[in-house]
Amino acid sequence: DAGVIQSPRHEVTEMGQEVTLRCKPISGHNSLFWYRQTMMRGLELLIYFNNNVPIDDSGMPEDRFSAKMPNASFSTLKIQPSEPRDSAVYFCASSYMGGSPYSEQFFGPGTRLTVL
Amino acid sequence: AQKVTQAQTEISVVEKEDVTLDCVYETRDTTYYLFWYKQPPSGELVFLIRRNSFDEQNEISGRYSWNFQKSTSSFNFTITASQVVDSAVYFCALSGPTTGNQFYFGTGTSLTVIP
Repeated sequence: DAGVIQSPRHEVTEMGQEVTLRCKPISGHNSLFWYRQTMMRGLELLIYFNNNVPIDDSGMPEDRFSAKMPNASFSTLKIQPSEPRDSAVYFCASSYMGGSPYSEQFFGPGTRLTVL
Repeated sequence: AQKVTQAQTEISVVEKEDVTLDCVYETRDTTYYLFWYKQPPSGELVFLIRRNSFDEQNEISGRYSWNFQKSTSSFNFTITASQVVDSAVYFCALSGPTTGNQFYFGTGTSLTVIP
């Protein structure tokens, strides 16, 4: 079975440009999470969706960040305009919230974003 | 408050030694779940184990074992006869009603196994 798929794997862009990160969760999973990982802050939850609906976006750093989940098999995280401090590895994870609401999350390979 | 503490930032061991990674948590929930993840140098996060708060039995999976003790709010992870492939950053995480479906991750322990 395919795991969580993220694209691109690497992105290098210049300050001020728009960046779009993409995620395809594991088929059948109904929760999706976007994380950011940096040396300074570790793993931070940015936003998560349940059944395609954003539940908690309190981790989104500022209005430059937005996330959508138009259907159960696709989500995007957009940064506009990007800044050098956005450089990080961005992970997407999915899980199935069924009988137990605290299921393990399965992570994608991450997108390494560098903003020059 | 929900909190996960991994006090060991970095550990180095020689191959074939046993090593224990500590995880201490704080939670107000009576029902909660604890997790361990491995992040090898390639970068992906790999799920290792989930444990619920009602199950205090220790778990063993090959060279890996986990010791859950509610009395000390700890969920420690032991690798027996470590191998170079065990070199990675290991994260402990907590989830429960207070956190919704969110995970609270510790800061991770970087393990280096020296051949």
